[in-house]
Amino acid sequence: DQQVKQNSPSLSVQEGRISILNCDYTNSMFDYFLWYKKYPAEGPTFLISISSIKDKNEDGRFTVFLNKSAKHLSLHIVPSQPGDSAVYFCAAVGGGSNYKLTFGKGTLLTVNP
Amino acid sequence: DAGVIQSPRHEVTEMGQEVTLRCKPISGHDYLFWYRQTMMRGLELLIYFNNNVPIDDSGMPEDRFSAKMPNASFSTLKIQPSEPRDSAVYFCASSLLEKGEQFFGPGTRLTVL
Repeated sequence: DQQVKQNSPSLSVQEGRISILNCDYTNSMFDYFLWYKKYPAEGPTFLISISSIKDKNEDGRFTVFLNKSAKHLSLHIVPSQPGDSAVYFCAAVGGGSNYKLTFGKGTLLTVNP
Repeated sequence: DAGVIQSPRHEVTEMGQEVTLRCKPISGHDYLFWYRQTMMRGLELLIYFNNNVPIDDSGMPEDRFSAKMPNASFSTLKIQPSEPRDSAVYFCASSLLEKGEQFFGPGTRLTVL
């Protein structure tokens, strides 16, 4: 039973355009969401997060949107750069455990020059 | 800070052998996590520690897997005996108290022949 789902295994966009990565969750007890970025042969690195009391959080080129009623969040990258090419993982926390991250399977983003 | 340190980075062993993976968390972090990443299951939590005490080991696949944290700066994940299906990338991560962000090490790629 996958509680965090990233239904698109891969996404390809042109440099300078917007990248939108999507994530759905099923557990209504999740109250904190994070996005991690992973390059080959490296561990995931934290990118941006959002609390369930907010619907948007922005950090430079990265914005995360949360739609609690739809149990959906998305990561927007504008403008996309070739260095953004990586696997992006959505993760969720909550439901009685503040430290147990539940990860999606990831989306491979390729930004073409 | 050097970040989370894992060793070895690569391990190739034969079925039936004992494997020990090592992790040094970031100094001052109270939580330590062991994850396994496979193509089929994605990134899954195996076990996590708080102040060197195992809190949740429900993700440990079977009795062949064991983890210890003898002190705040060192943890091991042991597989005995190893099997080919244990082949995966194993990540260690640490985090501060009351923070959702986890800092990951570079991972250990384990191949069991």
